[in-house]
Amino acid sequence: SQQGEEDPQALSIQEGENATMNCSYKTSINNLQWYRQNSGRGLVHLILIRSNEREKHSGRLRVTLDTSKKSSSLLITASRAADTASYFCATDFPQAGTALIFGKGTTLSVSS
Amino acid sequence: DVKVTQSSRYLVKRTGEKVFLECVQDMDHENMFWYRQDPGLGLRLIYFSYDVKMKEKGDIPEGYSVSREKKERFSLILESASTNQTSMYLCASIRGGSTGSGNTIYFGEGSWLTVV
Repeated sequence: SQQGEEDPQALSIQEGENATMNCSYKTSINNLQWYRQNSGRGLVHLILIRSNEREKHSGRLRVTLDTSKKSSSLLITASRAADTASYFCATDFPQAGTALIFGKGTTLSVSS
Repeated sequence: DVKVTQSSRYLVKRTGEKVFLECVQDMDHENMFWYRQDPGLGLRLIYFSYDVKMKEKGDIPEGYSVSREKKERFSLILESASTNQTSMYLCASIRGGSTGSGNTIYFGEGSWLTVV
């Protein structure tokens, strides 16, 4: 099935550094969303970017979308240990009644 | 505040048992979903429902069934549990008739099922 694919699978950085995660998808989308999952917990919505948007900011988060390349990136600036989590992109499709399709996620470890 | 509640956080069941995972949302959302999450495989969609008594198969429906008798409740049923169904199960809900509207999906905290 259609699916976003995150890259890299795992990322380890020091506090204060920036973290960049990428997501690629296969077909035209309406929207792309990023979610965060703390270990053993449910997913929490971070940010949504629509197909007609190119960049969006929310606090320390910056998301870009390149529909020509079918890719998105999530940048977390000035990372903190509390940012340690898995991050997923999710795409939805123009057909009504279809579910959000999630990628496999990027596991981010931020050490202090 | 938005809430999706999964009734069981941790379960241990025996092979062949019938297992019910319950999910309730308090947001009057039309769409509800069951995902399964395994290491290295991400979230895989099992079933979803866009209305009461309606259901659609996701990517991995084999071995599972669902029930949506009331709008707020979506149950996942393992008719005869097997060890390969040991996993974390996530319930989610979203407002609106189409997920293409850009609404946020809300997740429960997950149910860890171990089948022995």
